[in-house]
Amino acid sequence: DQQVKQNSPSLSVQEGRISILNCDYTNSMFDYFLWYKKYPAEGPTFLISISSIKDKNEDGRFTVFLNKSAKHLSLHIVPSQPGDSAVYFCAASGPSQGGSEKLVFGKGTKLTVNP
Amino acid sequence: DTGVSQNPRHKITKRGQNVTFRCDPISEHNRLYWYRQTLGQGPEFLTYFQNEAQLEKSRLLSDRFSAERPKGSFSTLEIQRTEQGDSAMYLCASSGGGSLNSPLHFGNGTRLTVT
Repeated sequence: DQQVKQNSPSLSVQEGRISILNCDYTNSMFDYFLWYKKYPAEGPTFLISISSIKDKNEDGRFTVFLNKSAKHLSLHIVPSQPGDSAVYFCAASGPSQGGSEKLVFGKGTKLTVNP
Repeated sequence: DTGVSQNPRHKITKRGQNVTFRCDPISEHNRLYWYRQTLGQGPEFLTYFQNEAQLEKSRLLSDRFSAERPKGSFSTLEIQRTEQGDSAMYLCASSGGGSLNSPLHFGNGTRLTVT
């Protein structure tokens, strides 16, 4: 049972244009959502997060939108740069028995920004 | 803050051997996580420590797997009698601070290959 789904394995955009990465989740108990970026041979790097009490969070070129009723979030990158080329993971967390903030990850979307 | 450090970066072992990985979290972080990532998948939660206490374990963590965090600082993950299916990237992450929702910071992982 995949609780966090990234249905697009890959996305290709032109430099300077907007990149939109999508993510859907099924567990209504999730209350914290994050995006991570991963380069080959490195661990995931935290990019941006959003709490369920908000519907938008912005940090520079990166904006995350949350639609709780649709159980959907998206990451917008504007303008896209070649250095943004990486695999992007959507992740979510919610209350757990052990009190951890363990993250449930999607399978990732590989973004390629072409010069 | 030197980030999360994992050693070794790569480990090749023969089926049936035991292996041990080490993780040094960010020094002020009291929460430590182990994840496993296989090709084409997102990271999957294995286990969680708060200080030295192991508070959560995934059902993915079979009896052959054991993790420790003896003094609430570094952690080790041991796999006994390795199987080819154990081949994966093993990621360690840490988090801390007063806020309940704080992002996990990942190391660069240990890539295990079981031949």
